[in-house]
Amino acid sequence: IAGITQAPTSQILAAGRRMTLRCTQDMRHNAMYWYRQDLGLGLRLIHYSNTAGTTGKGEVPDGYSVSRANTDDFPLTLASAVPSQTSVYFCASSDAGGGTDTQYFGPGTRLTVL
Amino acid sequence: GQNIDQPTEMTATEGAIVQINCTYQTSGFNGLFWYQQHAGEAPTFLSYNVLDGLEEKGRFSSFLSRSKGYSYLLLKELQMKDSASYLCAVRDSNYQLIWGAGTKLIIKP
Repeated sequence: IAGITQAPTSQILAAGRRMTLRCTQDMRHNAMYWYRQDLGLGLRLIHYSNTAGTTGKGEVPDGYSVSRANTDDFPLTLASAVPSQTSVYFCASSDAGGGTDTQYFGPGTRLTVL
Repeated sequence: GQNIDQPTEMTATEGAIVQINCTYQTSGFNGLFWYQQHAGEAPTFLSYNVLDGLEEKGRFSSFLSRSKGYSYLLLKELQMKDSASYLCAVRDSNYQLIWGAGTKLIIKP
């Protein structure tokens, strides 16, 4: 693995179903983030984690949950998907506290909720 | 509220120069980032400014004026591969990134 990987690449999901989007990084970055990107809007932060074992809410956390059991993995769970959660989801990581704290992004997951 | 403004779309000619502006109003300022995003792909980091002035990196330069809440990204010697969206983001007082909606740059031969 080099960088950040996300799975699945895309998914079509029925409303009401539970779904977990996976994110793994191999850069040993301490901070990780989940964003959603919708047409005409900037990236919006859903949840973040500054270090393993801690998480925080972003701008649009409702309907989503995260966990950070270790440094490398940061899964995002939709407990009961709704059509408004149709979006492209990006995971990112950064070396928080190290220089510019630049965020590096995974390839994204395109999620459609019907 | 916090706000990042960028033009929605710009068109330029191959070989020319284009300037993409970004104005911001945020609660605090801890740096400004520019990212490039090709259609269907992830954003990739281009530049970072935290002090006023110009940062040059090859064909790309980024300028910041903190007193004016203003930045621009300058792209020189445009190539067809520069057709992409360019995202401006500001790190606020909570150290979270606030993102603009992006500027779609169309390069014509």
